[in-house]
Amino acid sequence: QSVLTQPPSVSAAPGQKVTISCSGTTSNIGSNYVSWYQQLPGTAPKLLIYDNTKRPSGIPDRFSGSRSGTSATLGITGLQTGDEADYYCVTWDLSLSAEVFGGGTKLTVL
Amino acid sequence: VHLEESGGGVVQPGTSVRLSCAASGFSFNNYGMHWVRQAPGKGLEWVAVIWFDGSSKYYAGSVRGRFTISRDNAQNILYLEMNSLRAEDTAVYYCARDNTGLRSYLEYWGQGTLVTVSS
Repeated sequence: QSVLTQPPSVSAAPGQKVTISCSGTTSNIGSNYVSWYQQLPGTAPKLLIYDNTKRPSGIPDRFSGSRSGTSATLGITGLQTGDEADYYCVTWDLSLSAEVFGGGTKLTVL
Repeated sequence: VHLEESGGGVVQPGTSVRLSCAASGFSFNNYGMHWVRQAPGKGLEWVAVIWFDGSSKYYAGSVRGRFTISRDNAQNILYLEMNSLRAEDTAVYYCARDNTGLRSYLEYWGQGTLVTVSS
């Protein structure tokens, strides 16, 4: 059971928008920045969003992040088939003194 | 930035293995480093982090007391010593560079090395 809770799967049609939620507690999301990672099939994870809302260079603005209280959200607009991947939220947990990952969300672009 | 893991393979339960992560393309001694693993068909699980100078180390509860993270800043290598291995330690192990000298977010990742614990 992951410390951070994500929906196992989401789906949407090409060109549409999707959001992926990440729920935590005051000990983790409520106290620390959240980052998001994309893992395409058979590849290593890649940083998508850091410090809740910031995008590394090279990440298109179709990807966005937000945080409110003890929850964070990844948004993807203008969905493309190439966006099909697993997405993970991550933050530091003060009580555990450990980095914690969400269980991952599989995005299907129908 | 390039991170290359090595040392994976098939090992027997109860034995030990040491993974290495060779770093290049950046000033290794300025950055915190992580290990993250992924069991077959499962999600990502953080394993450990070490600060830039090795002064602090933190571990996931599932590996604390069995795994040891260390680094050689002269050789630009990160290590993960894994002892008392169990079947549930079977996974692809990734090393990742943090954005800061301590811990912030996992900015760059290696391609991973597979460890299979089986008799």
